[in-house]
Amino acid sequence: ILNVEQSPQSLHVQEGDSTNFTCSFPSSNFYALHWYRWETAKSPEALFVMTLNGDEKKKGRISATLNTKEGYSYLYIKGSQPEDSATYLCAFDNYGQNFVFGPGTRLSVLP
Amino acid sequence: GAGVSQSPSNKVTEKGKDVELRCDPISGHTALYWYRQSLGQGLEFLIYFQGNSAPDKSGLPSDRFSAERTGGSVSTLTIQRTQQEDSAVYLCASSLDLNEKLFFGSGTQLSVL
Repeated sequence: ILNVEQSPQSLHVQEGDSTNFTCSFPSSNFYALHWYRWETAKSPEALFVMTLNGDEKKKGRISATLNTKEGYSYLYIKGSQPEDSATYLCAFDNYGQNFVFGPGTRLSVLP
Repeated sequence: GAGVSQSPSNKVTEKGKDVELRCDPISGHTALYWYRQSLGQGLEFLIYFQGNSAPDKSGLPSDRFSAERTGGSVSTLTIQRTQQEDSAVYLCASSLDLNEKLFFGSGTQLSVL
């Protein structure tokens, strides 16, 4: 059974703060690591698909890094805004199998 | 349609009744996944379909759960003799191909009384 962990479970930050959270996954049989944002009352939405060790992806104020050898990925949000409030999910893609999702990090950005 | 469509959006049923949940994926997407999220839990994999291959049913929690995908498009998830622990948000997602990013529907909130 594949184990994907995320920390912290929840996070409260002030508007303007920068923050980051972690996704840990098995370092063997790696194919890709996905990040999704899930806002309340909406569907999860893909942020990044990361495949290469050392990969760094950026979308506006959000960026992510990947270390496949040690099995972790970081998601960074620079200058958090209230609209960034959501649950951030990572999903381990073990090629040929299904996606295994982590439990998520719930971010609340206070104005 | 433009996105993944799920119906109904909400379903309240009595314990012991059967329910059927529907998912209409994005046109042309070959892979289709069902997940569920119970209160306070993460996304739990149920089943996925890829093209004409046999589905991966390894996540179905019991034989009361079944799913089919007709014509490589619409999928239905059926839960027979529902139990209270089946209460959850059931999410469907599709992707262009296996291992591509997922596009999720808005989910079906199932409540079993």
